[in-house]
Amino acid sequence: QVQLQESGPGLVKPSETLSLTCAVSGDSINRGYFWGWIRQPPGQGLEWIGNIYHKGSTYYNPSLKSRVTISVDTSKNDFSLRLTSVTAADTAVYFCARRGGSGSSFDYWGQGALVIVSS
Amino acid sequence: DIQLTQSPSSLSASVGDRVTITCQASQDISNFLNWYQQKPGKAPKFMIYDASNLETGVPSRFSGSGSGTNFTLTISSLQPEDLATYYCQHYANLPLTFGGGTKVEIK
Repeated sequence: QVQLQESGPGLVKPSETLSLTCAVSGDSINRGYFWGWIRQPPGQGLEWIGNIYHKGSTYYNPSLKSRVTISVDTSKNDFSLRLTSVTAADTAVYFCARRGGSGSSFDYWGQGALVIVSS
Repeated sequence: DIQLTQSPSSLSASVGDRVTITCQASQDISNFLNWYQQKPGKAPKFMIYDASNLETGVPSRFSGSGSGTNFTLTISSLQPEDLATYYCQHYANLPLTFGGGTKVEIK
């Protein structure tokens, strides 16, 4: 059973950097899927942040590209998100997910991590 | 970017009712569309791929249809456990985008 678990600070100050890690169990990141981050502001819809392939190729949402870095650590079987210069608009639940299902779908998701940007 | 417009944004229906949710794409996406179900406080769950194919384990009362720019998710007989918000998502190109969601409530 594939499981993903987000971890990281739940509170970040404005202008600082948001950092989250997604630990993967039950599957190997090296198997070749895309691994992604999606966020959901409170009471709102879903926004794709970006994907990373196991070999390190990254694809970002242009709306966030200048501030986002996604990286992978195959030795730890996890991948990470960094979002710089955060504002209150970045307050959201951040989900990590495997993009490996039929239809290039996000078939396995973490439970989500709420990150609040506030001083 | 391809915009996905869902309607209605919310609906209330009785158990046993037939429910239809639409998703309109801002340009032709062929059948490159997925549907997800998100229950309150939970992560989305993948349900339908390529516009009309049910993921394994999804109840047969759910169905999807459409191609090009117009898509539909139908629940043939609404059940209490279908209380959720439903999202469409395209994968025709990058960036991936989601529809705004349709919240389904039970009367």
